[in-house]
Amino acid sequence: GNSVTQMEGPVTLSEEAFLTINCTYTATGYPSLFWYVQYPGEGLQLLLKATKADDKGSNKGFEATYRKETTSFHLEKGSVQVSDSAVYFCALTGAGGSYIPTFGRGTSLIVHP
Amino acid sequence: DSGVTQTPKHLITATGQRVTLRCSPRSGDLSVYWYQQSLDQGLQFLIQYYNGEERAKGNILERFSAQQFPDLHSELNLSSLELGDSALYFCASHPTGGSGTDTQYFGPGTRLTVL
Repeated sequence: GNSVTQMEGPVTLSEEAFLTINCTYTATGYPSLFWYVQYPGEGLQLLLKATKADDKGSNKGFEATYRKETTSFHLEKGSVQVSDSAVYFCALTGAGGSYIPTFGRGTSLIVHP
Repeated sequence: DSGVTQTPKHLITATGQRVTLRCSPRSGDLSVYWYQQSLDQGLQFLIQYYNGEERAKGNILERFSAQQFPDLHSELNLSSLELGDSALYFCASHPTGGSGTDTQYFGPGTRLTVL
């Protein structure tokens, strides 16, 4: 079946540090890939997405590139802020004809001033 | 604000009881998805309704059921509650029956505590 694997958290960084959160997936066909973010006490919201190989999704300084050869969709940001503290979920849809999302376990990011 | 509303925000109840969680999708969205988020299982898909009909089923227990009403709001009913049912329950909405490239819009969740 489809699966998404994210690096274990929490990831703890100082403000202005570089962020990478790794995400790899197993899926049949050509899924679309997503990063969702969950701020404390809120629901998930879309951060960025990519729908085909080599596409780069970007939003709010975050980027992720759909790498089919390595089945990865790593999230990066050049300079994190305290306000980026949240839980980040990698997800895929559209694999094997299924549009039901498969989510990773989530990675907690804590940014210190 | 995603436009998806969920009530109540918090729910505390006892084992063996029954509760109902409510979700109103974004205006115009026809699909509602229900998810359970727990520390040990992560975010698990439970069930999807599209325009009043059940469309897809995930890891939903037989003690749980859902429905979608003509005004498109949805309710998730949890019965014979157990301690392990304590979790955050999210609904998400989507304009259509489902597409591999489209975003889901999540509500703020209902936190259920079973004592």
